[in-house]
Amino acid sequence: DGGITQSPKYLFRKEGQNVTLSCEQNLNHDAMYWYRQDPGQGLRLIYYSQIVNDFQKGDIAEGYSVSREKKESFPLTVTSAQKNPTAFYLCASKRAGEAGANVLTFGAGSRLTVL
Amino acid sequence: AQSVTQPDIHITVSEGASLELRCNYSYGATPYLFWYVQSPGQGLQLLLKYFSGDTLVQGIKGFEAEFKRSQSSFNLRKPSVHWSDAAEYFCAVNSGNTPLVFGKGTRLSVIA
Repeated sequence: DGGITQSPKYLFRKEGQNVTLSCEQNLNHDAMYWYRQDPGQGLRLIYYSQIVNDFQKGDIAEGYSVSREKKESFPLTVTSAQKNPTAFYLCASKRAGEAGANVLTFGAGSRLTVL
Repeated sequence: AQSVTQPDIHITVSEGASLELRCNYSYGATPYLFWYVQSPGQGLQLLLKYFSGDTLVQGIKGFEAEFKRSQSSFNLRKPSVHWSDAAEYFCAVNSGNTPLVFGKGTRLSVIA
């Protein structure tokens, strides 16, 4: 079945360490997104990419980095510069183009806890 | 800048009662509107969407929503709530290929 796979589901990190969250999709979607979710805050956009080798900052990009070397993959690195990284991270993707394609499909999420 | 407001942080309803979750948006262009549902610790699942045409849209699990341009609203409704509907609900908006902007969510509790 097609879908989005996020790994790991749970991750613990010590302060000062970088961590990378994986997001892989086999939906042949063009655009991919990373959102951060905190209780009572909804989803906030970190980074997005509409095409391979190109990506744009979202509303809360500071302390994060991404790459898009392959269409299927959009890993997110949470760097030590991110002051409050403990959160639930959601990856999503969608086809580009007409309005009918304008529906995000989400992965199951990764929960990062900084100890 | 576009924004989405979900005025109710938490709603509790009795099983079998009707439900309405409110969503108001601020958007300059013609919006595309969405409702997603999230179970604890899970990703988001699309309930329904509005792009154009009939302003009353039907979704999965017996949900519907009505787009009211004059009120900038897209409220979600269900005539009879089931215990399995307990979850968090998010309204979202965008236009074309712009990233989705989400509201802060409404948590729904269902009591017997």
